[in-house]
Amino acid sequence: DADVTQTPRNRITKTGKRIMLECSQTKGHDRMYWYRQDPGLGLRLIYYSFDVKDINKGEISDGYSVSRQAQAKFSLSLESAIPNQTALYFCATSDFTDGNTGELFFGEGSRLTVL
Amino acid sequence: GQNIDQPTEMTATEGAIVQINCTYQTSGFNGLFWYQQHAGEAPTFLSYNVLDGLEEKGRFSSFLSRSKGYSYLLLKELQMKDSASYLCAVMDSNYQLIWGAGTKLIIKP
Repeated sequence: DADVTQTPRNRITKTGKRIMLECSQTKGHDRMYWYRQDPGLGLRLIYYSFDVKDINKGEISDGYSVSRQAQAKFSLSLESAIPNQTALYFCATSDFTDGNTGELFFGEGSRLTVL
Repeated sequence: GQNIDQPTEMTATEGAIVQINCTYQTSGFNGLFWYQQHAGEAPTFLSYNVLDGLEEKGRFSSFLSRSKGYSYLLLKELQMKDSASYLCAVMDSNYQLIWGAGTKLIIKP
C-alpha cells in the first residue's frame, strides 16, 4: 500500500459543483501539502499544514479550502468548481525532524476535470 | 521575485550521458532537490544538495554551486526508463519549495 494515498484518483465534474479530494498518510509526518500541476508549469502550492492546528495558504489558495482532520488526513475542497481548476492535484508529506532533508513524499495524484 | 529556470525539453540517446541544468534566484537557500516524474505519475525524490559540490548516487549525480545559483543533474548510461520529466526545486529562507517547470527528457534508441 502507498504511504500517501489520494482519493479519488480521477474525477469529472461540472462547473459549480463542490468537490473534495482526500489525502491520508501512514508515514507519521506532521507536514502535509496540496499542490496542483498544469502542463508547462511547475508544481504550485495551494495550502500546507505543519500540524493539525496549523493551516497556511500557498501561492494559489483562491477558490480552495482545506481541512486537517488528523495528523494523517488532509483534505482539499473546491467549493464551486470552475473549468480552470482542471488539473492534476498532488498531496505530499515531509519530515524535518532528526536531520531529515525535508524531501517531499507524494501521493499518486488526483486528476480533476471540470466541464 | 523567485525563479527557477531549466530547459523545457532535452533529447539523448540510450547508453549516453545527459546533463540537465537548473539556475535559480531565490530568497535565501536551504537546499536544492531533484525529482523524477514519469508522465501521469507522482514525482519521486532523486537527490538533495545543500553544500557546494557533487553528490553521486548510482547512475545519477547532482552538482551544486551556491555562489552561481546553479545546479545540474547528470544521468549516465541512459536507459529507456529514464524518459521522464526532471524537476528542480529550491528551498528558500522560509523553508518553502520553489519549483522549476521541469525538463522533459526523451531517450531515443
